[in-house]
Amino acid sequence: VPLLESGGGLAQSGGSLRLSCAASGFTFSNYAMHWVRQAPGKGLEWVSGISGSGASTYYGGSVKGRFTISRDNSKNTLYLQMNSLRAEDTAVYYCAKDKYVNLVGTNDYWGRGTLVTVSS
Amino acid sequence: QSVLTQPPSTSGTPGQRVTISCSGSSSNIGSNSVDWYQHLPGTAPKLLIYTNNQRPSGVPDRFSGSKSGTSASLAISGLQSEDEADYYCAAWDDSLNGPVFGGGTKLTVL
Repeated sequence: VPLLESGGGLAQSGGSLRLSCAASGFTFSNYAMHWVRQAPGKGLEWVSGISGSGASTYYGGSVKGRFTISRDNSKNTLYLQMNSLRAEDTAVYYCAKDKYVNLVGTNDYWGRGTLVTVSS
Repeated sequence: QSVLTQPPSTSGTPGQRVTISCSGSSSNIGSNSVDWYQHLPGTAPKLLIYTNNQRPSGVPDRFSGSKSGTSASLAISGLQSEDEADYYCAAWDDSLNGPVFGGGTKLTVL
């Protein structure tokens, strides 16, 4: 179940980036999806999740109001629009597939991640 | 500071049994099931245990999980060198309306 993230890179503080996650090997619309990040030297932190239909979205407190999760089920692709970036958003961002159509948070497949670096 | 509490590190020798604890509260572990992930730096995290004690296909039965009240634990028996990795517990948090992770436990195989 490949999940391939892209869009990471270097951004200025206050700037924006858009991450993408291309999925294959499963019926994309049948599963909720998540973004999870790992800052340097830190543990995993859930960022955002979206239901299989895209109708329900959820955000972690540290990104609420700045990040927007979305999906295009016709393209089997998950997105994360990141605005007002801060230095503390620097992390490897992982795309993860939920085991269920609604958000449960049990992620049975993960991508290898894309690095986002925010410079101040 | 992570919502779920894990020991930062543990170690064992080949063949030994080790356990990793995960402590939470009534809003997460106390009312929802627990998952465990194995993560090697630079690779994709791997689901090891879900719904407290279920193993995905392909995960050896050396790995087992349990939950009691607001705590959970992961046990690894017959420790092998390839088990050296970071291990994370996770559970849905009803107050935060999202999944929360433990801070991770680094397992060293001596």
